[in-house]
Amino acid sequence: NAGVTQTPKFRVLKTGQSMTLLCAQDMNHEYMYWYRQDPGMGLRLIHYSVGEGTTAKGEVPDGYNVSRLKKQNFLLGLESAAPSQTSVYFCASTSTGATSAFFGQGTRLTVV
Amino acid sequence: DAKTTQPNSMESNEEEPVHLPCNHSTISGTDYIHWYRQLPSQGPEYVIHGLTSNVNNRMASLAIAEDRKSSTLILHRATLRDAAVYYCILNYGGSQGNLIFGKGTKLSVKP
Repeated sequence: NAGVTQTPKFRVLKTGQSMTLLCAQDMNHEYMYWYRQDPGMGLRLIHYSVGEGTTAKGEVPDGYNVSRLKKQNFLLGLESAAPSQTSVYFCASTSTGATSAFFGQGTRLTVV
Repeated sequence: DAKTTQPNSMESNEEEPVHLPCNHSTISGTDYIHWYRQLPSQGPEYVIHGLTSNVNNRMASLAIAEDRKSSTLILHRATLRDAAVYYCILNYGGSQGNLIFGKGTKLSVKP
């Protein structure tokens, strides 16, 4: 059982480039989340989704877009990367009635 | 959204109990209290949760104040592997919409 899988694990981008981070879960969870974590800081919620085809803004949504075309996948896009988006990105999923949220291992993104 | 307040850091000695406090004075009646921890270079993992009554599991115990405005995560015998950042968060029962984390408490365990 893979749980929550994030792709890629590491990436270096140049300023202005675009990329998409993929989060996949195999637990049939309704809710999925994208967070960023800067050094020495807690997790900040970027966007989340409460079901297929729906997304909502979190605490720090600017500069990011998301899509949830399939229930098992939640994509995080950076249209024009900036050095301020250098961070570790975590994806999580859960469902109504679930004991907890499950997290991926993170994607370390560096924008130069 | 109801907020939580935790100390930035705590220290413990190995094999001693650790009590990690969390204040949540604006908690609503339907908010569950969840604790997660994040080991170095890993994603957060679930520790324990509760609503009103104290809870125990194989990892820890959760003591919830009678007025629910505070709670305490108890690690009965800290090990070096328990060194992590511990997050106390509130989660609306029946809905997993906004899952907001604070800064957490960084626990150091000394041998």
